[in-house]
Amino acid sequence: QKEVEQDPGPLSVPEGAIVSLNCTYSNSAFQYFMWYRQYSRKGPELLMYTYSSGNKEDGRFTAQVDKSSKYISLFIRDSQPSDSATYLCAMYVGGSEKLVFGKGTKLTVNP
Amino acid sequence: GAGVSQTPSNKVTEKGKYVELRCDPISGHTALYWYRQSLGQGPEFLIYFQGTGAADDSGLPNDRFFAVRPEGSVSTLKIQRTERGDSAVYLCASGTNQGSPLHFGNGTRLTVT
Repeated sequence: QKEVEQDPGPLSVPEGAIVSLNCTYSNSAFQYFMWYRQYSRKGPELLMYTYSSGNKEDGRFTAQVDKSSKYISLFIRDSQPSDSATYLCAMYVGGSEKLVFGKGTKLTVNP
Repeated sequence: GAGVSQTPSNKVTEKGKYVELRCDPISGHTALYWYRQSLGQGPEFLIYFQGTGAADDSGLPNDRFFAVRPEGSVSTLKIQRTERGDSAVYLCASGTNQGSPLHFGNGTRLTVT
C-alpha cells in the first residue's frame, strides 16, 4: 500500500459544477498537507497549505483535513475551464523535508 | 529571478550517456529539492539541499545519480550511464526554510533512447 492514495480519474465536469478531490493516507505522522495544481508540461503550483485538521478556504477553493480518518479533500466551487489540470495532494511529516505526493487526479471542466 | 528556472527544458540522450540537469532557484531560497515525476505519477523525492550541503539524499535511486550545489544557489543533477528507466520529468523546487511551501520549476523532460 502506498503512503498516499489518490484516484487518478480522469474526472470530467460541466462548467459551474462543484468538484471534490480526495486523498487518503496511511502514515499518521503526516502533519502538513498541501494541494498542488499542475498544468500540462508545467511544474506543480501550490494551491492550498494546511497544518491542522479542519477547513481552510481561499476564494473558490476549500481544503479539508480529517486526521482521525486520514483523509484530505479539496473542493472547487463554480469550476471554470481554466481549472482543467491535474491536482496533486502532498503531505509531509514535521521535521522531514520529504514531500510525499499522490498520483494526481486529472480534471477537465467542460464549457 | 521570478521563479525556479530549469534547463534544459527537454533532453534526449542515448542509453549509457552522461547528462547534467541544471536548477536555478528563487533568489534567497536556501532550501532546494529535486524530484522525479514519471508519466501518470506524482513527483517522488530525490534529494534536499540546505545551503551547500545535501541534507537528505535518501531518494536517489542508485549511485549513478549525484547532485551538487557548490555555492548554495544553482544546483546540478548528474546522471551517469543513463538507462531507459531514467526517462522522466526531473523537477526542482526551492523554499525559504524548513516546512515552507515549495515553489517548483517546470522541469526537465529527460528521454533516454
